[in-house]
Amino acid sequence: EAGVTQSPTHLIKTRGQQVTLRCSPISGHTSVYWYQQALGLGLQFLLWYDEGEERNRGNFPPRFSGRQFPNYSSELNVNALELEDSALYLCASSWGTVTGELFFGEGSRLTVL
Amino acid sequence: AQSVTQPDIHITVSEGASLELRCNYSYGATPYLFWYVQSPGQGLQLLLKYFSGDTLVQGIKGFEAEFKRSQSSFNLRKPSVHWSDAAEYFCAVGAQGTDKLIFGTGTRLQVFP
Repeated sequence: EAGVTQSPTHLIKTRGQQVTLRCSPISGHTSVYWYQQALGLGLQFLLWYDEGEERNRGNFPPRFSGRQFPNYSSELNVNALELEDSALYLCASSWGTVTGELFFGEGSRLTVL
Repeated sequence: AQSVTQPDIHITVSEGASLELRCNYSYGATPYLFWYVQSPGQGLQLLLKYFSGDTLVQGIKGFEAEFKRSQSSFNLRKPSVHWSDAAEYFCAVGAQGTDKLIFGTGTRLQVFP
């Protein structure tokens, strides 16, 4: 069974640009979560999508946004990139309303120059 | 608000030695507690979780953790460390009904032969 897949694995952008990261959850999972892992800051919760709806949002500015598609895959969009957006962006999926295990992808490493 | 503290940023042990990684949480009700491991270049993998019941939880790869309500702790232990255990370890607390995990800042484990 395929795990959580993310693309691209690495990308480099410059300040002010926009980026889209993609995530495909494990088959049967309806919830997708996005976390930012910046150096020295641990994992910071960004967004939670379930059944196509945004259910919860972390303490990030509005230029961080996303969506979940009918097939439960998800995109994370970051506009007006800033240097401090450089981080590993991790996507995780789970079986919706069950509080518990998250299954993580290997992440998309974004470098902003 | 929920929070997780991992007081040790970096721990070094010799192969075969015992290991204990500390985790303290802050949460008003009974928390859901997790330990994840992140090997270099990879996503996070669940080691073990505590929801209720027996306070000593067994996980994969020979790890265990003990929930101590009086100390608000959920320390991870392994009796004999292997070189392949070198990784970053994250403790996380879940909020019932929200599916959002709050992660600690992680402990990097280095294992010497």
